[in-house]
Amino acid sequence: GAVVSQHPSWVICKSGTSVKIECRSLDFQATTMFWYRQFPKQSLMLMATSNEGSKATYEQGVEKDKFLINHASLTLSTLTVTSAHPEDSSFYICSAPGQGEPYEQYFGPGTRLTVT
Amino acid sequence: GQNIDQPTEMTATEGAIVQINCTYQTSGFNGLFWYQQHAGEAPTFLSYNVLDGLEEKGRFSSFLSRSKGYSYLLLKELQMKDSASYLCAALDSNYQLIWGAGTKLIIKP
Repeated sequence: GAVVSQHPSWVICKSGTSVKIECRSLDFQATTMFWYRQFPKQSLMLMATSNEGSKATYEQGVEKDKFLINHASLTLSTLTVTSAHPEDSSFYICSAPGQGEPYEQYFGPGTRLTVT
Repeated sequence: GQNIDQPTEMTATEGAIVQINCTYQTSGFNGLFWYQQHAGEAPTFLSYNVLDGLEEKGRFSSFLSRSKGYSYLLLKELQMKDSASYLCAALDSNYQLIWGAGTKLIIKP
């Protein structure tokens, strides 16, 4: 099956710094990738849709200037959390859609971000 | 608006059967997914239904009624490792996934 990787799997950073999270499709090309955030004991919240070769589409309430998304190639999307604050501490997950039915989402393993 | 409803939490006994219900309202419909998510991990795919009826896959089965906007996930012969959150998600007319809040399933010995 299709594999999506994320790096790093966990990161601790100081308040005010920036953190970059990479999402890679390892054995398939993904023109679209999705970025989710999940707080403890809550469900997935879609943050943005990353599109190769064009600007990302952000969900309502998600700050574009704070969460920078770059879909650099057909296998790589990055999410940069700028000027991180403790409230940005969360589990960030990316996914890429399969082609054709069942349009399954292939999820990366997630990145645990802790901002101190 | 688009909406997915599923129970917040359910408890069942090891070896028993449990049914997790999901109702959906979406702009168009291109299928319904069930995912399993263990704490601290990414979701893993369980099933996909786009036609009415029951799809069986080992101990897990998923049912869909498009006319009722309803689906359920049936787990048989429950094992302790089945303790997890189960996420229902519907694919709308734009092929965008609309996620439910998830059902936390607690399995007791």
